[in-house]
Amino acid sequence: AQSVTQPDIHITVSEGASLELRCNYSYGATPYLFWYVQSPGQGLQLLLKYFSGDTLVQGIKGFEAEFKRSQSSFNLRKPSVHWSDAAEYFCAVRSYNNNDMRFGAGTRLTVKP
Amino acid sequence: EPEVTQTPSHQVTQMGQEVILRCVPISNHLYFYWYRQILGQKVEFLVSFYNNEISEKSEIFDDQFSVERPDGSNFTLKIRSTKLEDSAMYFCASSERRSTDTQYFGPGTRLTVL
Repeated sequence: AQSVTQPDIHITVSEGASLELRCNYSYGATPYLFWYVQSPGQGLQLLLKYFSGDTLVQGIKGFEAEFKRSQSSFNLRKPSVHWSDAAEYFCAVRSYNNNDMRFGAGTRLTVKP
Repeated sequence: EPEVTQTPSHQVTQMGQEVILRCVPISNHLYFYWYRQILGQKVEFLVSFYNNEISEKSEIFDDQFSVERPDGSNFTLKIRSTKLEDSAMYFCASSERRSTDTQYFGPGTRLTVL
């Protein structure tokens, strides 16, 4: 069964520092991979997605993620974090033939001034 | 930019009562979904809906749950007899097509069962 692991429950970075949030998935075939962000009291906003093709995908708000099949990973990165990036980040996976999207437990990002 | 909306934002109910959570998906979308997130836990898939019928559901979506598209714009989740453990944030989502399209999420309804 497909599953997603986000090893880091909480990460704190300084404003302006780089960021990498880890995501590992378990799935037999090539999955569809997503990163969503949830600000307090808000819904889930899509940051980026990977279906096929170029393994480095660009998203909104300056985020990017790289699909590494050999490592079953889809880590999210941002070169310079802004205070407004403080939120909960969810990695998700689904297969090509169903709509059951599996989410990771989330990583809470705190940004220090 | 079109978005998914949900009402109410917060619903408080007594155990055993029926609740209906409402969603208005993006207007040209054909697939609709409900997810829930119990406080401090993962977002979990409940059900997907297409062409006026359930296309997939998880083991969580038991007989106490039902979904309906009562008109051309609303998509509802009904919980017949709420339990304490139904307290969660419920998210509605919609997507344009099934296969490769992204699911867009609403802001959620926080359900509190007392």
